[in-house]
Amino acid sequence: GAVVSQHPSWVICKSGTSVKIECRSLDFQATTMFWYRQFPKQSLMLMATSNEGSKATYEQGVEKDKFLINHASLTLSTLTVTSAHPEDSSFYICSARQGADYTFGSGTRLTVV
Amino acid sequence: AQSVTQPDIHITVSEGASLELRCNYSYGATPYLFWYVQSPGQGLQLLLKYFSGDTLVQGIKGFEAEFKRSQSSFNLRKPSVHWSDAAEYFCAVVPLQNDMRFGAGTRLTVKP
Repeated sequence: GAVVSQHPSWVICKSGTSVKIECRSLDFQATTMFWYRQFPKQSLMLMATSNEGSKATYEQGVEKDKFLINHASLTLSTLTVTSAHPEDSSFYICSARQGADYTFGSGTRLTVV
Repeated sequence: AQSVTQPDIHITVSEGASLELRCNYSYGATPYLFWYVQSPGQGLQLLLKYFSGDTLVQGIKGFEAEFKRSQSSFNLRKPSVHWSDAAEYFCAVVPLQNDMRFGAGTRLTVKP
């Protein structure tokens, strides 16, 4: 079946630094990828939708200058958390769509100290 | 407003008992419907999905779900729960092949 690889699985960074999270579709081409954030004991909240070769569409309340999304190829999307702060600590999950199938990465636990 | 609702935040059942987790959606047209399970600190595992056709959908791990258009519901069921089923369960919808939206989740506790 379809596999989405997400790296790193966990990362600890200092406040004020930037962190990049990668999401790769390993055996299929994903025209659309999605980025979600999940705070402890809460649901997944959609942050943004990215289409290959175009700018990402951000959900209301998500700062596009803080959460930079790049979808440079049909198999790779990256999320960069810029100038991270402790309140950005969360579980970030990507999803890649192929037709009507949605495949999720295993998630990235970000802790900002 | 368009939404997906899981009315039960937390459910506790005894091992071997039957289970039903509720999911209701509010969209103009019937969206694609999904159920996922998530163990603590882990990613999502797809249990089953419904696009069209037979309204009773069979999934993995002995789960099934029934789509009821008249009730805008897609409830998840399992006839006999195992201790390993304890986890967080999310109902998700995709309206008109758009992005996927999740319900708030239902935490399942299984008593021995």
